[in-house]
Amino acid sequence: EVQLLESGGALVQPGGSLRLSCAASGFAFSTYAMTWGRQAPGNGLEWVSSISGDGAVTYYGDSVKGRFTVSRDNSKNTLYLQMNSLRAEDTATYYCTRISGGSAVDYWGRGTLVTVSS
Amino acid sequence: QPVLTQSSSASASLGSSVKLTCSLSSGHNNYIIAWHQQRPGKAPRYLMRLEGSGSYNKGSGVPDRFSGSSSGADRYLTISNLQFEDEADYYCETWDTNTRVFGGGTKLTVL
Repeated sequence: EVQLLESGGALVQPGGSLRLSCAASGFAFSTYAMTWGRQAPGNGLEWVSSISGDGAVTYYGDSVKGRFTVSRDNSKNTLYLQMNSLRAEDTATYYCTRISGGSAVDYWGRGTLVTVSS
Repeated sequence: QPVLTQSSSASASLGSSVKLTCSLSSGHNNYIIAWHQQRPGKAPRYLMRLEGSGSYNKGSGVPDRFSGSSSGADRYLTISNLQFEDEADYYCETWDTNTRVFGGGTKLTVL
């Protein structure tokens, strides 16, 4: 059974940093591209970042480019999101997702809440 | 990059059928999309991948009541024999080489 378990969400002050983790199990992690998405309270879904299976290729949404960094450790089956220079508008539940061979998101984690506030 | 447009809300009666629409922006008529369901307070769940031809592949455990179809730039999710558990937000998703896009979501109310 595919499982994605995010952790690391917390209350952080504006300008601060946070690292999210996503522990993956139930599939050959290194052979799948992964993404981070987010959902601000009461809002819709927003794509944040994607990373290839080998970690060599990464992409970012315009709202986080230059501030967030996605990475992965295939030996630990873990995906990461390093978030720097956090802003109030980054407040959201962050989801780890798997990209299927057909390129759609086919599995979602349960999410972890990041709150940026003083 | 593509843009996805969804109606903000829809409603239908218990046991009836509803057809939700996701429209692709001009020049992106042939894009593949995915449909996702998000029940209140829960994480999203993948429903299906839907091609411009109307061919679709559903995720594991998705009931037969859920089906997909396409016409031009429009992608549809049809839910038959509506159940109260189908009351949720429904999002469409598409992707390009270096980006991924979600529609604004449709809130479905089962009356």
